[in-house]
Order: sequence, then structure tokens, then C-alpha cells
Amino acid sequence: SQQGEEDPQALSIQEGENATMNCSYKTSINNLQWYRQNSGRGLVHLILIRSNEREKHSGRLRVTLDTSKKSSSLLITASRAADTASYFCATGGNQGGKLIFGQGTELSVKP
Amino acid sequence: DAGVIQSPRHEVTEMGQEVTLRCKPISGHNSLFWYRQTMMRGLELLIYFNNNVPIDDSGMPEDRFSAKMPNASFSTLKIQPSEPRDSAVYFCASALDRAARGTQYFGPGTRLLVL
Repeated sequence: SQQGEEDPQALSIQEGENATMNCSYKTSINNLQWYRQNSGRGLVHLILIRSNEREKHSGRLRVTLDTSKKSSSLLITASRAADTASYFCATGGNQGGKLIFGQGTELSVKP
Repeated sequence: DAGVIQSPRHEVTEMGQEVTLRCKPISGHNSLFWYRQTMMRGLELLIYFNNNVPIDDSGMPEDRFSAKMPNASFSTLKIQPSEPRDSAVYFCASALDRAARGTQYFGPGTRLLVL
């Protein structure tokens, strides 16, 4: 299975601190995506990084991808209480495979 | 754009009853996905369509589940008969391209409780 596995499962930080979440997967991928889910809501796409990219930025988000280690990290800088949510990585397969979602990291940012 | 629209948002039913969940994808999107989310199993892909045609239904749990997409702007997921273990949040998502691995846009979900 190419399912992404997030680490840690839960993370609690203070507002203003940085939050780092990691994702590992098992097989080769075409891309890796990060999604956010606020409580009781649907998932929202944050960023997509392709297998030939190593780093990508979007606002306060920074994503890295290391295909040799089959891992990715999502860094949220200067976190805010509004960043409190679950964060999921999803891998898109190379052989036309569908997106496979991990179990998510639950981030709590305390004001 | 209104985004992906799902109805109903909440459904409470008794075991054995038929449940129909509805989804309207984003206009112009040609891929549609049905997911189920539970605490125990996380987010599972049930089925996806491309240009209204079912492409992969390997995630459909059993024959009690069926999905249709009669046109580009409407899809249904039906459970008949429903069982308590079907209780979950069901999400519909759509995507612009035919690649099932591209960016997906999720609806708000239908929270189903089967008593």
C-alpha cells in the first residue's frame, strides 16, 4: 500500500510557534498533497508537490519531499489559533493510482 | 462557485432503512469521488467516476452500497438496507481533470447515524 502515515498523531503548540508534521509512504508516487480538515467540515486542499520537486511554499506553509526516504513534511510557521485542525497527507500513485489518504495529524494551537 | 454540494447534511435512520446521499460536483469538473470517514478506518475511497462512468468501485464495502452518476452535475450513493456499522461521515469530492490523483475539492459531508 502507498498509504501515507502521519507523525505525530497529535500536536499541541502555542500561538506563534512553528508546527511540523511528517508523512511517510511506501511506494513510488506521482505527487503528494496536504489537506486540512476543520472539525465537522470537509477536507480543504492546501498544497501539492510533485515527485520531481523537493520543496514548495505557499504563504506560511512549507512542504518538503524526499523521495529517497519516501517522506514529506509540512511546516506551518507562526501558527495561529485558526490553524487548529486535522492535517492529512495524500499520495497520488504513478500507475494511475487514486489518492490514498493517511490517518492525519491533529493540530491544536493554543492562544 | 458554490463548491461541492451535499445533501442531506445529517441523516438519522433505523437499521434496515434505505439511505440516499446526494452530491452536486463543481461545475466543469469531470471526476467525482465518494469517501467514507470513521474514527477507526480514517478516510476511505468508496468509488470514483470520470465523465459519469464508474472507474473504480473496489472500495464499496458490499452489495448494500450502490452509486450512480446519471449526469455531470449529480451523483447518488445509496445504502440498502442500512446497518449501524454504516454510521460515518460520507464525503463527495470532485476534480477538474480525469486523473484520480489530482487535487480534489470536498463537500461538507453527510453525517449518517444508523440506529
